[in-house]
Amino acid sequence: AQKVTQAQTEISVVEKEDVTLDCVYETRDTTYYLFWYKQPPSGELVFLIRRNSFDEQNEISGRYSWNFQKSTSSFNFTITASQVVDSAVYFCALSGTNTGNQFYFGTGTSLTVIP
Amino acid sequence: DAGVTQSPTHLIKTRGQQVTLRCSPKSGHDTVSWYQQALGQGPQFIFQYYEEEERQRGNFPDRFSGHQFPNYSSELNVNALLLGDSALYLCASSGGSNSGNTIYFGEGSWLTVV
Repeated sequence: AQKVTQAQTEISVVEKEDVTLDCVYETRDTTYYLFWYKQPPSGELVFLIRRNSFDEQNEISGRYSWNFQKSTSSFNFTITASQVVDSAVYFCALSGTNTGNQFYFGTGTSLTVIP
Repeated sequence: DAGVTQSPTHLIKTRGQQVTLRCSPKSGHDTVSWYQQALGQGPQFIFQYYEEEERQRGNFPDRFSGHQFPNYSSELNVNALLLGDSALYLCASSGGSNSGNTIYFGEGSWLTVV
């Protein structure tokens, strides 16, 4: 079974603080992909990153960084020096090669950055 | 480069009615997926269309049906609407040489059933 858990429902931080969003996944696939999407109030899910199961190298993109650890089945997302524009709901998602083309999403973490 | 576009943006329907939602994929994409997102939840997979056929389906009743046209655009139809069908319906597209299996979403159609 495929499952994504985002235990943090809501997080509030003050601007310029760092914040980490947690994601834990379950899969029986040996080859799979992990994703993070950002959903502002408008509704559109904006793609942030894709990571495949064979690449555990951490990635940094500007103020965003991702930590993928297969040993703990986690794919955490850190925003450094948060800004008000980072306020949104963030979703972690999983896609496995044995489950076809279906994406499995977590329930999301609502991040509020207070100015 | 146009992204995924959906219409209508918002609509209100009465229980028992039928609704059709439309989606145009991102330029260069040939695969369209539909997701339902209830308030406070993550998106749930409804089905995916490729080459005008339903390729995969999630755990949704037959009241949910779809179609893909030769230009890759797609429609989602929901019959006999229930109050529980109120949700954000998201279309996502993929395919082409550069997207891998990443899916790109439109802004969604907000459906309210009263």
